[in-house]
Formats: sequence, structure tokens, C-alpha cells
Amino acid sequence: DAGVTQSPTHLIKTRGQQVTLRCSPISGHKSVSWYQQVLGQGPQFIFQYYEKEERGRGNFPDRFSARQFPNYSSELNVNALLLGDSALYLCASSLTGTPNYGYTFGSGTRLTVV
Amino acid sequence: KQEVTQIPAALSVPEGENLVLNCSFTDSAIYNLQWFRQDPGKGLTSLLLIQSSQREQTSGRLNASLDKSSGRSTLYIAASQPGDSATYLCAVIKDSNDFKLSFGAGTTVTVRA
Repeated sequence: DAGVTQSPTHLIKTRGQQVTLRCSPISGHKSVSWYQQVLGQGPQFIFQYYEKEERGRGNFPDRFSARQFPNYSSELNVNALLLGDSALYLCASSLTGTPNYGYTFGSGTRLTVV
Repeated sequence: KQEVTQIPAALSVPEGENLVLNCSFTDSAIYNLQWFRQDPGKGLTSLLLIQSSQREQTSGRLNASLDKSSGRSTLYIAASQPGDSATYLCAVIKDSNDFKLSFGAGTTVTVRA
């Protein structure tokens, strides 16, 4: 079975541009969460979506937005990119909207803003 | 706010030695705790999930214990191998209605051949 799939794996953007990251959860998983991991730190929570609805949002500016589609895949959008947005963006899927079963992460998207 | 700390930040051991990785959290009222492994530049691989009602979980050479009252979890890796070299992160969930993992910064392990 395929795990959590993220695309692209790497990308380079210029300050001020916009970027869209994509995530496909494990088949049957209905919840998708997004995390940002800056080098040397643990991942920080950005969003969680369950059944296409936003369940929670971390302490990130409005430049960050996301959505979940009927097939449970998700997109993370970041507008007006700053150098500080350079990070590894991780997507995690879980079976339900509760934490009972833990989370499975994808390989991440490495975003570099120059 | 839940704070998760992992000490030491890095350690290096010879092959065959047992590894002991520590994770502490400030709010003992957690729902569950999950240990992950991260290879350089890669995503997270789930190792063990411990529910708050459990004291430990085991998988192969890995054993994780949980002591909620003291706000601590320990990951033991028996008979370490060079392939165990990675960063190990712990993360906690606050309660059953929570969905946000609060991570420590991780412990980077190097196993010398």
C-alpha cells in the first residue's frame, strides 16, 4: 500500500512568490495535517483537516492556507514567500479526526526561498 | 503550553551498545505519545505509539516506556547498529479532542562501526 505521498520533493522559489504543496494520505485515512520543520528543530503544527473541514490552525500568518479535497488529498498554499519560510514541509495522515491511531508522515517537501 | 524537551541533543555510541533516549514534557495530562525516526532531509517514520493508559510498548529491538506522573518517556534501542544512526523525535498529544502533535527538537544518534 502506498504511504503518504507529497509533491514536489524539492522546490526553489523567490521571495514574494506563491507556492502550492500537495499531499495524498494513506488510502482510507480521512485526516491530513501539515507541519513546518526548520533545520535543527522539531516540526511545528500548521493545519489539520478532517472530512474536508479545518479542525485547527497553528500559530502561522494568514499567508498560509490549506484545503482538503473530496478524495481527502490536501494542498498547502503559502503566499508572499519570505526567506524564513524555507523549511521542510511535512504532511501527516491519520485514520480519523482523533489521535487514537497515531500519525503517518510523508517524506516532505523541501522549500527553499531565495 | 506543552513543552517537550529531548536531552541530549546528540550522542555517539559504538556499535552494539544499548541506546537510551529521553523525552520530557511539562504537562503530564497527555493522551498519547509517539516516537519517530528521521533520516537526514527525510520525513518522519513512526516507531512506537504509547497510549496514556500504557506503561510501555515494544517493537523488535525498540522499547518505549511512559511515566506520565513524572512527565517522561524513554526510548531504548538494544544492540545498536550503524543503521540506527538518525534523529529520534518524540511528540505528545494533549487529549482525545486534540490533533496537534507537540514535538521535541530530537536527539541525533550516531552509531560508530
